[in-house]
Amino acid sequence: DTAVSQTPKYLVTQMGNDKSIKCEQNLGHDTMYWYKQDSKKFLKIMFSYNNKELIINETVPNRFSPKSPDKAHLNLHINSLELGDSAVYFCASSQGFSGGVDEQFFGPGTRLTVL
Amino acid sequence: DQQVKQNSPSLSVQEGRISILNCDYTNSMFDYFLWYKKYPAEGPTFLISISSIKDKNEDGRFTVFLNKSAKHLSLHIVPSQPGDSAVYFCAASTTISSGSARQLTFGSGTQLTVLP
Repeated sequence: DTAVSQTPKYLVTQMGNDKSIKCEQNLGHDTMYWYKQDSKKFLKIMFSYNNKELIINETVPNRFSPKSPDKAHLNLHINSLELGDSAVYFCASSQGFSGGVDEQFFGPGTRLTVL
Repeated sequence: DQQVKQNSPSLSVQEGRISILNCDYTNSMFDYFLWYKKYPAEGPTFLISISSIKDKNEDGRFTVFLNKSAKHLSLHIVPSQPGDSAVYFCAASTTISSGSARQLTFGSGTQLTVLP
């Protein structure tokens, strides 16, 4: 009965490869997010989708492409992986209510290591 | 530029005493502030929030104080318990330019260790 799930939990791959991280939420939320936690531990927003529509797209290399097949899923595809992509990636979801606090619920994270 | 700053990377407190975690922000457009707690190998979990129109919000052992003029907030945990040992992230919320959703900006976190 996990609320926000991510697969895989760990991903080790070579430079130049293409990989995907999947995210699913069963909370009935309308909005989903991808965050990157870098070596300095900051959680930085990458993308956000509301009902399958991209609403936040921070300055992220276009090697990163989010895909939302439905509002319960937001996958992250990364092309031509680089050493600097090594980080922990977190998926999150929220109701998408702009008029209040709109608490976000996070998945357990995917630790990506690029060799 | 870091719009949300947590200047103490770590804090150690004796069990039963008060833990005070601090957070500073620079953007006046932030209108909600949230604290998240994170255990190793898990995602952050929501702890408590406060609206910018309030100066205090309390939930059990957890109280958040907001000083809007100083752009400063703090999380108080009383009494501290060993199970509170975790990384605490401060986050600030604002609506995105379209007004259709909100965006969180996180600090770098403070590792709290509660000693038995």
